Amino acid sequence: GNSVTQMEGPVTLSEEAFLTINCTYTATGYPSLFWYVQYPGEGLQLLLKATKADDKGSNKGFEATYRKETTSFHLEKGSVQVSDSAVYFCALKSGGYQKVTFGIGTKLQVIP
Amino acid sequence: DAMVIQNPRYQVTQFGKPVTLSCSQTLNHNVMYWYQQKSSQAPKLLFHYYDKDFNNEADTPDNFQSRRPNTSFCFLDIRSPGLGDAAMYLCATSTTGVGTDTQYFGPGTRLTVL
Repeated sequence: GNSVTQMEGPVTLSEEAFLTINCTYTATGYPSLFWYVQYPGEGLQLLLKATKADDKGSNKGFEATYRKETTSFHLEKGSVQVSDSAVYFCALKSGGYQKVTFGIGTKLQVIP
Repeated sequence: DAMVIQNPRYQVTQFGKPVTLSCSQTLNHNVMYWYQQKSSQAPKLLFHYYDKDFNNEADTPDNFQSRRPNTSFCFLDIRSPGLGDAAMYLCATSTTGVGTDTQYFGPGTRLTVL
């Protein structure tokens, strides 16, 4: 079956530090890959996505590249801000329209 | 802006007292989902509607039911809430077809069971 593996959190960084959150996946076929962000007390917001190999998703300074050879979709940001503090979920969709598989989420805390 | 709306944002109920959570959408999406998210966990799909067709996940307890009276609205009914049902409940929508693979989430309803 499909699965998503994320690095365990929490991740604590100083403001303006470089961020990487690792995500690897196992899936049949050719999945679409997503990063969702969840701010405290809120629902999930789509941060970025990529639908085929070598695609790069980007939004709000965050980037992730769909790497089929390493089955990875790592999230990166060059300079984090306190406002980026949230939980980040890597997810994939493969096969049926309804089947989205989420990782466990990685909590990011950015300190001034 | 097109969006997914959930009401209420916070719901407190008593053990065993039925509760209904509401979701509405202005996206005109044909698929609506209900997820349960417990603290520090990934969202867990409970069920979804594809148009009017209800699709239950195999491990969703019978205590959870859903109604979709029209395209825009979907309800989650918990018939006899237990302490273990305290969680964030997330509604999401999507459409189907080539190139339409994103689920859009509402802000969630935080359910407390006393």
